[in-house]
Amino acid sequence: DAGITQSPRHKVTETGTPVTLRCHQTENHRYMYWYRQDPGHGLRLIHYSYGVKDTDKGEVSDGYSVSRSKTEDFLLTLESATSSQTSVYFCAIRGAGVDGYTFGSGTRLTVV
Amino acid sequence: RKEVEQDPGPFNVPEGATVAFNCTYSNSASQSFFWYRQDCRKEPKLLMSVYSSGNEDGRFTAQLNRASQYISLLIRDSKLSDSATYLCVVKSGNTPLVFGKGTRLSVIA
Repeated sequence: DAGITQSPRHKVTETGTPVTLRCHQTENHRYMYWYRQDPGHGLRLIHYSYGVKDTDKGEVSDGYSVSRSKTEDFLLTLESATSSQTSVYFCAIRGAGVDGYTFGSGTRLTVV
Repeated sequence: RKEVEQDPGPFNVPEGATVAFNCTYSNSASQSFFWYRQDCRKEPKLLMSVYSSGNEDGRFTAQLNRASQYISLLIRDSKLSDSATYLCVVKSGNTPLVFGKGTRLSVIA
């Protein structure tokens, strides 16, 4: 296996509560990404990181923040969850000099 | 115009059939192209890269037409296990991958 894990795998939370999703890798890869996947929209980039403390916004970053304090962990935070953030969240990693991504198994988040 | 467009399908084909998926992309500066496969409720996985001269991997053939900004995937002798969603993916420079919405394939016995 590629050495990428996401936690939790499933979560139900209430509107207005903060939520943090974790992506952990054991590959020492520089690049990490957070996508969300919704019916009719496909995979959309939320935020990505190109190194420790180096992050940038993606296509759908509003309402989300990220942090990367060490190479192996990339955290995605919903400061105040809304029902529109109900989705499947995928983390991905990429090594330097490689174009393809390896994805984690995903987190199914439901905001009620 | 969406950056990567695919026919969502579904394509319902019998076992043993040949099926082709197409994809168009809007950014002429795109440099790298891929097909990913995603099974129901699973993560996407890289199926194959797409090279300018076209490339083959077993029953799968990928082709790129840069002039028309068009990518294709051909699956020969379809198997039940080929049933999945196929994602067309494009990369420009050092920017993150851009995914199409996917084409759903069902192979029927």
